[in-house]
Amino acid sequence: ETGVTQTPRHLVMGMTNKKSLKCEQHLGHNAMYWYKQSAKKPLELMFVYNFKEQTENNSVPSRFSPECPNSSHLFLHLHTLQPEDSALYLCASSRQGAGVTNTGELFFGEGSRLTVL
Amino acid sequence: GQQVMQIPQYQHVQEGEDFTTYCNSSTTLSNIQWYKQRPGGHPVFLIQLVKSGEVKKQKRLTFQFGEAKKNSSLHITATQTTDVGTYFCAGFRAGNNRKLIWGLGTSLAVNP
Repeated sequence: ETGVTQTPRHLVMGMTNKKSLKCEQHLGHNAMYWYKQSAKKPLELMFVYNFKEQTENNSVPSRFSPECPNSSHLFLHLHTLQPEDSALYLCASSRQGAGVTNTGELFFGEGSRLTVL
Repeated sequence: GQQVMQIPQYQHVQEGEDFTTYCNSSTTLSNIQWYKQRPGGHPVFLIQLVKSGEVKKQKRLTFQFGEAKKNSSLHITATQTTDVGTYFCAGFRAGNNRKLIWGLGTSLAVNP
């Protein structure tokens, strides 16, 4: 139990589907992140939210749409994905805001394994 | 662009042998973090190093940050089967604490 909960753990979707990934952190952290983990690639930062405001969008295609209604919840809405989007999507949080100061330690959720057919 | 290289990519050891993974950055880092990801799991934070030449120990794990703050290493003494997993380094570029730059990781397999 890391204090960061992701659902669903596994998701299979067709290219025309719309689905959402959910992340909730119970750690009282200020910053939340979406990362993509693919084989043979470094962890790719997708989005950063700091005090509910998006502070980083790492040139992510618009078929991925994040939403952060409050500092404890983060969503990733998926629409018209491609097979190459199949990956493990990891949510993370950190105590300090991801801005002026070092974020410090990242706490990751267990991830959502996405397969796009 | 900014890169953090990790070597080796894979390592097989016999239980009881030592293991070392190296992390090298093309630019100076303000600090470096190490994470471990078990097979089928998620990255778990191990440690953060901030000072030039810093050495920290956690039981059988020894972490070093280079004098120039461009490289780091993780050494495991007398590996155990519980050490199996992928070890990642990740650093912040000096002057830019907004984004961690991740290495590809070193996957460690331990034969009992």
